[in-house]
Amino acid sequence: QSALTQPPSASGSPGQSITISCTGTSSDVGAYDYVSWFQQHPGKAPKLLIYEVFKRPSGVPDRFSASKSGTTASLTVSGLQAEDEADYYCISNIGSKNWVFGTGTKVTVL
Amino acid sequence: EVQLLESGGALVQPGGSLRLSCAASGSSVSTSAMSWVRQAPGKGLEWVSVIYNDGVTTYYGDSVKGRFSISRDSSKNTLSLQMNSLRAEDTAVYYCAKNGHYTFDVWGQGTMVTVSS
Repeated sequence: QSALTQPPSASGSPGQSITISCTGTSSDVGAYDYVSWFQQHPGKAPKLLIYEVFKRPSGVPDRFSASKSGTTASLTVSGLQAEDEADYYCISNIGSKNWVFGTGTKVTVL
Repeated sequence: EVQLLESGGALVQPGGSLRLSCAASGSSVSTSAMSWVRQAPGKGLEWVSVIYNDGVTTYYGDSVKGRFSISRDSSKNTLSLQMNSLRAEDTAVYYCAKNGHYTFDVWGQGTMVTVSS
């Protein structure tokens, strides 16, 4: 199973919005509504931002939103803040016995 | 809320073995599926293994199948990963994670495994 494809980097100024794409295939992203997104700061564990395509766990700001169309999922960060500078990963569950991660996107706040 | 704390990471020679542990607090490891996820230095995340609520059903990523074994001890509320025939490419931070919503909703802080001679 190949990793999902994300852009290596994305950037924006404070207050702006950025969108990160996550492209898979009809066997993973396109087949299941089980795409989730994680934020990871350097040296820290990943933190769940989005699950089941667009749902936010409690405590995650509504500045983070997500969607899916076909074989591509997207994460949008609105009102970019300095603390949003981190690595972001998508992941798709592909049945009960496998998960595939995205390649990761480094977000820089200019 | 459940908290997870990994331990057991170390420097080990190629071909060697190592056992990682993950202690859970705030919830039982038996009530949720639990996974191991790893991250090689400077690289992305890779799912390694999962054990389901029944304690018997387990699955592994292709890169570790036949070498790693996941288990849990409900009496100690811990998750374990036995790693055998270790290779340089197994060098990574290993995270234990609680499964939820078809993803990993709670993570430990990770433990470093280095495979080198």
